[in-house]
Amino acid sequence: GAVVSQHPSRVICKSGTSVKIECRSLDFQATTMFWYRQFPKQSLMLMATSNEGSKATYEQGVEKDKFLINHASLTLSTLTVTSAHPEDSSFYICSARTSRGPFGDNEQFFGPGTRLTVL
Amino acid sequence: GQNIDQPTEMTATEGAIVQINCTYQTSGFNGLFWYQQHAGEAPTFLSYNVLDGLEEKGRFSSFLSRSKGYSYLLLKELQMKDSASYLCAVVDSNYQLIWGAGTKLIIKP
Repeated sequence: GAVVSQHPSRVICKSGTSVKIECRSLDFQATTMFWYRQFPKQSLMLMATSNEGSKATYEQGVEKDKFLINHASLTLSTLTVTSAHPEDSSFYICSARTSRGPFGDNEQFFGPGTRLTVL
Repeated sequence: GQNIDQPTEMTATEGAIVQINCTYQTSGFNGLFWYQQHAGEAPTFLSYNVLDGLEEKGRFSSFLSRSKGYSYLLLKELQMKDSASYLCAVVDSNYQLIWGAGTKLIIKP
């Protein structure tokens, strides 16, 4: 199947530091990756859509200077939370889209998520 | 605007049947997904409907009516491990997933 990994799975950092989260498609090439965040007891909120080799498209209300996204290759996208603060503590999930799945371009395959805690 | 509605929480008994409803209003429609999400984990795929009707897969079935903007997920022979949140997501005209807030299903013995 189409497998997506995320690293790290859990990170605790001090306020003011930057944290980088990697999202990799392990057995397929993903032209499009998505970054979500999820607060407790809430649904997924799309932060940005990342296309390989181009700038990410951010959703309204998401600070592009704070959440830096790089999609340098067809198998890797990174999200860097710059100058993290406690309110950035959340569950960050990436997904990748590939036409390889049974539902074509409609389907997204999810990484296992990264739990970020900012002290 | 785009909107997806699901009940916030439902409770059911082990061995019973439960139906989780989802209504949607989106800009375009390219299919509807149901995902299961356990606490602290990423969503996992359950079903996909793009045409009207019922799709059955083991203990889980999903129904779609595009004219009514309505879907449901039916879970039979409930097991304790089915306790999770169930997310309804619609693929809009831009091929983006529009997410419902999720339904927390609590299974009691």
